[in-house]
Amino acid sequence: DAGVIQSPRHEVTEMGQEVTLRCKPISGHDYLFWYRQTMMRGLELLIYFNNNVPIDDSGMPEDRFSAKMPNASFSTLKIQPSEPRDSAVYFCASSSSTRGRTQYFGPGTRLLVL
Amino acid sequence: GQNIDQPTEMTATEGAIVQINCTYQTSGFNGLFWYQQHAGEAPTFLSYNVLDGLEEKGRFSSFLSRSKGYSYLLLKELQMKDSASYLCASSTGGGNKLTFGTGTQLKVEL
Repeated sequence: DAGVIQSPRHEVTEMGQEVTLRCKPISGHDYLFWYRQTMMRGLELLIYFNNNVPIDDSGMPEDRFSAKMPNASFSTLKIQPSEPRDSAVYFCASSSSTRGRTQYFGPGTRLLVL
Repeated sequence: GQNIDQPTEMTATEGAIVQINCTYQTSGFNGLFWYQQHAGEAPTFLSYNVLDGLEEKGRFSSFLSRSKGYSYLLLKELQMKDSASYLCASSTGGGNKLTFGTGTQLKVEL
């Protein structure tokens, strides 16, 4: 079975540009999570969805960040405009409420904002 | 609120046993996860404890005491490939929302 798929794997952009990160969860999973990891703050939950509906976005740092899940197999995290402090690794994870609830992580997107 | 504490770094010798402790203060707690993360890679699932006691899985075991807000991960017969960061995470809510500790960087030496 394919794991969680994220794209792009690496992104370098300039301050002020829009950045879109993409995620395809494991087929059949009904929960999807977006995390951000930095050396200073560790792994932080940004937002999570259940059955494509956002449940908790309290971790989204500010209005520049938005996330959508238009269907069960696709989600995006958008940063507009991007700032250097957004530089981090962004992970997507998915889990199933009927199969143990363990979260499985994608490979991550390394974002560098210059 | 949520608060997870674990040591920042540990060093151990190949073939030895190491115990990584984690304490948590979490409202709505329903379980404790351990993940392993190698440098430059994604976290991978190791164990999940819901009830008090020890869960054994090969060389790795995890323990939970809900009354004490305490867990540990025990790694036996250490191998060089076990050098990694070990993340403790408390789970809350119906969706198993995870709050992660900052991770314990384990270095295994010859």
